[in-house]
Amino acid sequence: EVVMTQSPATLSVSPGERVTLSCRASQSISSNLAWYQQKPGQAPRLLIHGASTRATDITARFGGSGSGTEFTLTISSLQSEDFAVYYCQQYNYWPPSFGQGTRLEIK
Amino acid sequence: EVQLVQSEAEVKKPGDSVKISCKGSGYRFNSTWIGWVRQMPGKGLEWMGIIYPGDFDTRYSPSFEGQVTISVDKSISTAYLKWSSLKASDTAMYYCARIGIQGVIIADYWGQGTPVIVSS
Repeated sequence: EVVMTQSPATLSVSPGERVTLSCRASQSISSNLAWYQQKPGQAPRLLIHGASTRATDITARFGGSGSGTEFTLTISSLQSEDFAVYYCQQYNYWPPSFGQGTRLEIK
Repeated sequence: EVQLVQSEAEVKKPGDSVKISCKGSGYRFNSTWIGWVRQMPGKGLEWMGIIYPGDFDTRYSPSFEGQVTISVDKSISTAYLKWSSLKASDTAMYYCARIGIQGVIIADYWGQGTPVIVSS
């Protein structure tokens, strides 16, 4: 199974700041990576697939990049609604696997 | 509008059986893969398995093979996740998710989640 490692586990940031979250795969997954956002008490929501393609209705404030084993999710100018847990997921190999998540909290 | 509506919370004892459901609407249920994702309390997400309603092709993640059964009833656009003998460690939130981007296992729509609590 491909192991996905996200860093950092928790990030404290202020509204308006730009933030970059990292995700590393234990082996190359090409660009077969998705990012999800999960707020407390809610189901996850798809943000990005194909490493950099925003899902339907996702604001351009969210951007993804990377390929192979190293990926990043960048959120420009953090809004209050962006404070949540973010998960990456590879879908290049079966079974698909998630990272352990990065929690964005208000500084 | 795509919707996945899951069944209500279940509270069971160890050894009990349970089957939770997920009804899809607003899209071609029979020709779209659907899957189940586990989230244990305070933990991350895990894919359990997926099913293609059109031909019942089912795939399980190794960690869940033999532990649960995924099925569908095409006539009512509903997917199921069943346990024959629950353990306390099955306590978790379970989400169904549509795998709607063709050819890739990405959850583009999610159900609201069904909590399963297993306690003696």
